[in-house]
Formats: sequence, C-alpha cells, structure tokens
Amino acid sequence: GQQLNQSPQSMFIQEGEDVSMNCTSSSIFNTWLWYKQDPGEGPVLLIALYKAGELTSNGRLTAQFGITRKDSFLNISASIPSDVGIYFCAGSNSGGSNYKLTFGKGTLLTVNP
Amino acid sequence: KAGVTQTPRYLIKTRGQQVTLSCSPISGHRSVSWYQQTPGQGLQFLFEYFSETQRNKGNFPGRFSGRQFSNSRSEMNVSTLELGDSALYLCASSRPGQGIYEQYFGPGTRLTVT
Repeated sequence: GQQLNQSPQSMFIQEGEDVSMNCTSSSIFNTWLWYKQDPGEGPVLLIALYKAGELTSNGRLTAQFGITRKDSFLNISASIPSDVGIYFCAGSNSGGSNYKLTFGKGTLLTVNP
Repeated sequence: KAGVTQTPRYLIKTRGQQVTLSCSPISGHRSVSWYQQTPGQGLQFLFEYFSETQRNKGNFPGRFSGRQFSNSRSEMNVSTLELGDSALYLCASSRPGQGIYEQYFGPGTRLTVT
C-alpha cells in the first residue's frame, strides 16, 4: 500500500527559528494535508493542498504541494512556544472509492523559549 | 459551530470484552471516518461512512466494525478485545463538496485493554 515518509522524526529548536519538515510518498497523491496534534487531543487541520505546485500559507505556516505529486513540505517561520506538538502530513486521492487519508509518522517539534 | 465530539473520552476494558465508541460529526458533515492511533503504527485508517454506507475499509480484522445513523452520527465496535487494541481511536468528519479530504478530527477515545 501507499506509504508516507515524514522527516525529520523530531526537532528541537530555539524560539524565533524557522522550521522545515517534509513528506515523500512512494506513489502519487492529488491531495496533501498538514495537521498538528497536541497531547491528548485530535489532529487539527492546518493547511490543505489540492494542486501540484501549489504554495499555501496560513499565518506563519507555509506548505507546498510538490510538482511530482509525491512530496510536500511545511515551513513554520519565527517559531513560538505554542508551536510545540506533533505535525503530520497526510495524502489522499480523489475519485473511485478511495476515501481515506494516509498519514506520515509525524514530526515532534519542541521549541525552547 | 461545534466540533466533532467523541464519547467516551477514556475507557478501560478487559481482554475478551467488547466496546462501542461514539462519534458525532460537525453539523452538516455527512462523511465520518475512523482511525486508530498507536505509538508504533501511527494513524491508521479503519473505515469511512457516508449516508449510512461504508465506502472504504482499512486493513483491520473483522472484529472492528462500524455503522452510521441517519443523522450522520457514527459508532464503531470492537469485539473480543485484545491487548494490542489499546490505542487512541479518532473520528473525523467532512462535508461533501468542500473537499472530502479536509477531515476534521474529534479529541479521540483513549481505550486501554488490560
């Protein structure tokens, strides 16, 4: 089945630094989503991407849908302590009967104030 | 607008028992998906329902089942619980036409099997 490789597995940064994480897939997706999960909570949708090459921002977050449709990255600029959490990428394909998201294993982000 | 709600939030069961988890989607959302989250396997898709019909199913044994009601609320059931079923069970809802892949998650039900 489809697999998503998300890297890095964890990051420890200083407040104010920029962060970059990415996901690669063994096969094509036509939708990429990025989620953040805080301890004891469900994932919260951050950004959705629907077009190859698309670059979308949400505040200090920017995500891109790779032109090969097999990768995506998420950047966080000027990190703050509340950015701490686990970030997940997820991919899916429209059409047919495939109504599921395939998730990466997550990137654990720690921000040192 | 209220988010996705899941009940109960925490559950402790014994091996061999069965359990039913409940999910109420965001108002107007008709698709409900279920995921299992464990430290080792991450987030794995269980099944998805739309208009009371299961449209897709993940690679889980038949002990895992679900259903959806006419008001879009969904339940999942796990029979003959095993220790390995201990996990966070997440429900997500989405609205047709919005882009079904924008799924919004509830807080999850933490199931512990002893």
